[in-house]
Amino acid sequence: EVQLVESGGGLVKPGGSLRLSCAASGFTFSTYSMNWVRQAPGMGLEWVSSISSSSSYIYYADSVKGRFTISRDNAKNSLYLQMSSLRAEDTAVYYCARPLSGYDNMDVWGKGTTVTVSS
Amino acid sequence: DIQMTQSPSSLSASVGDRVTITCRASQSITSYLNWYQQKPGKAPKLLIYAASSLQSGAPSRFSGSGSGTDFTLTINSLQPEDFATYYCQQSFNTPRTFGPGTKVDVK
Repeated sequence: EVQLVESGGGLVKPGGSLRLSCAASGFTFSTYSMNWVRQAPGMGLEWVSSISSSSSYIYYADSVKGRFTISRDNAKNSLYLQMSSLRAEDTAVYYCARPLSGYDNMDVWGKGTTVTVSS
Repeated sequence: DIQMTQSPSSLSASVGDRVTITCRASQSITSYLNWYQQKPGKAPKLLIYAASSLQSGAPSRFSGSGSGTDFTLTINSLQPEDFATYYCQQSFNTPRTFGPGTKVDVK
């Protein structure tokens, strides 16, 4: 079964750091680019970051550039999001998602992990 | 950045209705447009990609059309399980951007 499982969310104080992980299974992880997408409470979806299959191409939303770092370990079938200098507005459910093709159509999503930034 | 808008922001419909949701991009995105369905507390689900291609497993009552800047998602014969929020997303360039969503609820 193709599956993505996020972990690492939690409660963190403003200015703090957190590292999210996404474990992939059921497909050849190393051949797919990957995305992080987040959703603040009661709000819409926001694309956060993407990384190509070999980590050669990395992109970020302006809202997280300079604070978040996406990475992957193809040997461990894992995707990561290192988040630092966290702000209240980073509070959200964070999803990892697999784009199926060049249309970046995300056909597989994890269930999400919740990050709450609050003092 | 490419801005995505959707209309309406919400609509009320009945089972069996035909529902149309519009998505507009601030510049041409050719056919790099995807549609997702999301239910409360759940991850989004891909319905349509490349503007008009039905994702494997998505019901055939869902269809997409459009190119350039104007796109439409149509649900023919709305079913009880279709009450949800629908998002368009452009994948023409980065940052990828989603529309604000259209909530479809029970009339």
